[in-house]
Amino acid sequence: KQEVTQIPAALSVPEGENLVLNCSFTDSAIYNLQWFRQDPGKGLTSLLLIQSSQREQTSGRLNASLDKSSGRSTLYIAASQPGDSATYLCAVNLASGYSTLTFGKGTMLLVSP
Amino acid sequence: ETGVTQSPTHLIKTRGQQVTLRCSSQSGHNTVSWYQQALGQGPQFIFQYYREEENGRGNFPPRFSGLQFPNYSSELNVNALELDDSALYLCASSLDGYQPQHFGDGTRLSIL
Repeated sequence: KQEVTQIPAALSVPEGENLVLNCSFTDSAIYNLQWFRQDPGKGLTSLLLIQSSQREQTSGRLNASLDKSSGRSTLYIAASQPGDSATYLCAVNLASGYSTLTFGKGTMLLVSP
Repeated sequence: ETGVTQSPTHLIKTRGQQVTLRCSSQSGHNTVSWYQQALGQGPQFIFQYYREEENGRGNFPPRFSGLQFPNYSSELNVNALELDDSALYLCASSLDGYQPQHFGDGTRLSIL
């Protein structure tokens, strides 16, 4: 059974800092991995999707890397802003059978002005 | 292009009642997945529909059931509601199961 773990559970940083969120998964036979953002009481917004054959994806100040063999992904946020405050969720899509996303519990990020 | 829309936004029910949640998929998407997100947890997969057929199911009891219609919109039905069913219910649509899933804002269900 695929399990996804995210560290840290919560993170508080001052504005302008660069930061790294970590995600690990137990089954390396994944099809892709997605990073999502969730604002309180809201749905999920997809930030980045990395296919299993890729090593990283970038969008603006965000960079996600994937090391499938070791079961790890990181989300790097450059020059953090108060508007980045949210919960960040990592989800993996298994390569076998029907597709479904298996999520971690998320990292709650607070960026202070 | 209209995104994924869910209704209602909030719902309050009592134990033992039944509830129906609705989801309109993004235009052109034929796959709909439902997830349950308890407070402080990541979303848990309930089931997925592909072209009106259930395509997969997570570890949820049979009182959680669903439908997908010819226009690919979907319903989630929950019978005999329990206190632990209180959660945010998220719907996601995609072109097929392996394409990026696009989420709605969810329905917040509270059981008293």
